[in-house]
Amino acid sequence: DGGITQSPKYLFRKEGQNVTLSCEQNLNHDAMYWYRQDPGQGLRLIYYSQIVNDFQKGDIAEGYSVSREKKESFPLTVTSAQKNPTAFYLCATRLQNSPLHFGNGTRLTVT
Amino acid sequence: QQQVKQSPQSLIVQKGGISIINCAYENTAFDYFPWYQQFPGKGPALLIAIRPDVSEKKEGRFTISFNKSAKQFSLHIMDSQPGDSATYFCAASTHSTGFQKLVFGTGTRLLVSP
Repeated sequence: DGGITQSPKYLFRKEGQNVTLSCEQNLNHDAMYWYRQDPGQGLRLIYYSQIVNDFQKGDIAEGYSVSREKKESFPLTVTSAQKNPTAFYLCATRLQNSPLHFGNGTRLTVT
Repeated sequence: QQQVKQSPQSLIVQKGGISIINCAYENTAFDYFPWYQQFPGKGPALLIAIRPDVSEKKEGRFTISFNKSAKQFSLHIMDSQPGDSATYFCAASTHSTGFQKLVFGTGTRLLVSP
């Protein structure tokens, strides 16, 4: 919302398939983040990137991969190695000294 | 050390009442404590934030109370309205400026009954 576009809103995949979630921003923010939200567990950090071509693992990076080839884009790939991929995925951005700004999320269901 | 513990998990308040959500932390290096509000199907949005150099911050009906010695902070929603029904997350970070990595609480689902 407000400059962060996450698509699609709902995504369905079969177990064993990789899937890529899109996050695009036009806020000119340097930092971008991916969080995973599960009921009763709050938001957990998957990966984050402070600048183009650089990113770091968060607290639950196993089974996920990212790239940051452009400032505006930070796609997240959920690989078949992720044991429990069904969740609500949130992308966020931040300009230095400003609050974290979230997109409206993608709900991924893997069956 | 990096956890933020939030309670209660859910809360029902009558319209006009006071909603209180509590959070506790262990890491004394945390220096930025925001609260986020999330409506169903949407991303969280910043509601109000505090730094440890003040004990209270008020914005409209929303107040953060901060107790540095107890390592606790809470959100008070005065005159709660049905439109306040949402999930609220507290969070904490070791960097109030510069690069920020937030640690979130587990969330409180608030229902304000008409």
